[in-house]
Amino acid sequence: DQQVKQNSPSLSVQEGRISILNCDYTNSMFDYFLWYKKYPAEGPTFLISISSIKDKNEDGRFTVFLNKSAKHLSLHIVPSQPGDSAVYFCAASVRGGSEKLVFGKGMKLTVNP
Amino acid sequence: GAVVSQHPSRVICKSGTSVKIECRSLDFQATTMFWYRQFPKKSLMLMATSNEGSKATYEQGVEKDKFLINHASLTLSTLTVTSAHPEDSSFYICSARRSGRIDEQFFGPGTRLTVL
Repeated sequence: DQQVKQNSPSLSVQEGRISILNCDYTNSMFDYFLWYKKYPAEGPTFLISISSIKDKNEDGRFTVFLNKSAKHLSLHIVPSQPGDSAVYFCAASVRGGSEKLVFGKGMKLTVNP
Repeated sequence: GAVVSQHPSRVICKSGTSVKIECRSLDFQATTMFWYRQFPKKSLMLMATSNEGSKATYEQGVEKDKFLINHASLTLSTLTVTSAHPEDSSFYICSARRSGRIDEQFFGPGTRLTVL
């Protein structure tokens, strides 16, 4: 049972345009969401997170939006840069509980120069 | 800061042998480390949570006798795949938590295990 879903395996965008990565979850207990970025042969690195008490969190070019009623979050990257090309994982957790991270399958983003 | 290393990065072994993978937090102490497994085109699946000085907590469906975890110090956790079989071939990633914050979890580069 996939509790965190990234339904699109890949996305290709032009440099300078917006990249929108989507993530859906099924467990209503999740209250903290994270995005990780992974380059080949490296471990995932933390990018940005959002608590369920917010609907938006922004950090430079990266913004995460959370729609709790739809159990959906998205990561917006604008403007996209070729160095953003990587696999992006969405993860969710229940704070105050085990705080384990539940990951989606990942989405490969390619930003073309 | 917050660097986590794994060794080896890649290992090929014969069926029936045991393989040990090390996970080290290089510049911080980690009371909690996690071991994940990733199959091709699949998500990272948590195998177990390792706490320094105590027994690891395994996720449902993960055989504790097959995947031995030792967290002997605040900077080192090891995963031993015992009597490895081809179905154990996978990408194993560890992570270490620097503090109580969920986003303070730092990942190693992973170990590719191939069992012949």
